[in-house]
Amino acid sequence: GENVEQHPSTLSVQEGDSAVIKCTYSDSASNYFPWYKQELGKRPQLIIDIRSNVGEKKDQRIAVTLNKTAKHFSLHITETQPEDSAVYFCAASPNGNQFYFGTGTSLTVIP
Amino acid sequence: GAVVSQHPSWVICKSGTSVKIECRSLDFQATTMFWYRQFPKQSLMLMATSNEGSKATYEQGVEKDKFLINHASLTLSTLTVTSAHPEDSSFYICSATGPPREAFFGQGTRLTVV
Repeated sequence: GENVEQHPSTLSVQEGDSAVIKCTYSDSASNYFPWYKQELGKRPQLIIDIRSNVGEKKDQRIAVTLNKTAKHFSLHITETQPEDSAVYFCAASPNGNQFYFGTGTSLTVIP
Repeated sequence: GAVVSQHPSWVICKSGTSVKIECRSLDFQATTMFWYRQFPKQSLMLMATSNEGSKATYEQGVEKDKFLINHASLTLSTLTVTSAHPEDSSFYICSATGPPREAFFGQGTRLTVV
């Protein structure tokens, strides 16, 4: 099955700085890569996604890049704010139904 | 967006008893739902794929007799943790793919076995 690795596991940044989280995947059949934000004790919420026919996607302060050849994708958050503090998960899916998650990154934005 | 509701959100049970968790898609039909387990400060681990009208598909290492899954309708899947033990204590989350092909998660069930 798919194996998704995520780095770093923890990340602290000063408010206003950028944060970058990186993931790699193993199954070349994966074609959909969502990113989720999870606050403590709550359900994951989709924040951005990218499909394999696109190399980059941006939504305001959040952007995701995908390198299919190298099988890695990254989340970029610019101008970070304290409310961005949460755990972020990347995921890979071969069919848009089953999702294989990375190990998570705990992001802390220091005011 | 689409809504997936999970019940209960929190349950405490005695060791040896069984616990049933429900996952409902409220405004769309889901032929397939997924069950995940999450340990504190860890990622979501896919446990099984619940298929409406047929047997669930379990991930490697997940005991099918321990975690019984039933998907009797297009909007409901249930996970029963049988003969629960303290090591089964965890956060269980279901998901279903709703329009437009996005995974929607239930709010999760925190199970504590004492």
